[in-house]
Amino acid sequence: GENVEQHPSTLSVQEGDSAVIKCTYSDSASNYFPWYKQELGKRPQLIIDIRSNVGEKKDQRIAVTLNKTAKHFSLHITETQPEDSAVYFCAASIAGRRALTFGSGTRLQVQP
Amino acid sequence: SQTIHQWPATLVQPVGSPLSLECTVEGTSNPNLYWYRQAAGRGLQLLFYSVGIGQISSEVPQNLSASRPQDRQFILSSKKLLLSDSGFYLCAWARQWARDTGELFFGEGSRLTVL
Repeated sequence: GENVEQHPSTLSVQEGDSAVIKCTYSDSASNYFPWYKQELGKRPQLIIDIRSNVGEKKDQRIAVTLNKTAKHFSLHITETQPEDSAVYFCAASIAGRRALTFGSGTRLQVQP
Repeated sequence: SQTIHQWPATLVQPVGSPLSLECTVEGTSNPNLYWYRQAAGRGLQLLFYSVGIGQISSEVPQNLSASRPQDRQFILSSKKLLLSDSGFYLCAWARQWARDTGELFFGEGSRLTVL
C-alpha cells in the first residue's frame, strides 16, 4: 500500500515569512495529492490539490509543487498570517481506485 | 448542497464497554464513506471505507467494526473498547470513484476517551 512521510512535524515562522512543508510518497501509481488544513478542534478541510499531470499549482498565497520522479510534493505558503496557524496534512491516492493515505501532519505556528 | 453529520461529538467510555458512532450524509447519493482515526498529535489513519451498502473494507486489524445499513449511513462500532481506542474519529464522504474529484469532506468529528 501507499506510505506518506511528512516533514517537519512542527514549524514556527514569523508573520510575513514563507513556510514550506514537504511530503514523500512510496507508490509511483499515486496520481492525486491534496493538502488539508485542520484548525484546533475542527475538521480537516481541503486547501489545495494537485494531480500528477501537473508540476505546480498556485492559489493566492499557497502553492503546491510535485516531483513525480523523486516522488515528493511540497506546500508553500507565502506572506504567512496568524490565521495560517493550524495543522497541515498532505495525502496521496490513486484517484478513483484507492482511499487517501495521509501524512502525519505539520503543526504550523505563525508568530505575530 | 451536501452535508455530513456525525455523533456523538464527545464521549467518555470505560474500558470494555461497547461503542457506536454514527454518520449520515445528506444531499448526495451513492457516496464513498470513510472512517478515519486521529490519535493525539498524530496523523489521520484510515480505518474503514465503503463504496456501497453492505460493502466494507478494513484497512487495519483491530477490535473495531463498521457497517453501512443504508446508502448514506455509516456506523463505527466496538463490542469492547480498549484504552488505545481513544482518539478523534472522523467520518468522511467522497463522490463515487467513477466520478471522483478526489476531495474528502469530513464530519465534525467524535472525540472518544476510554478510561
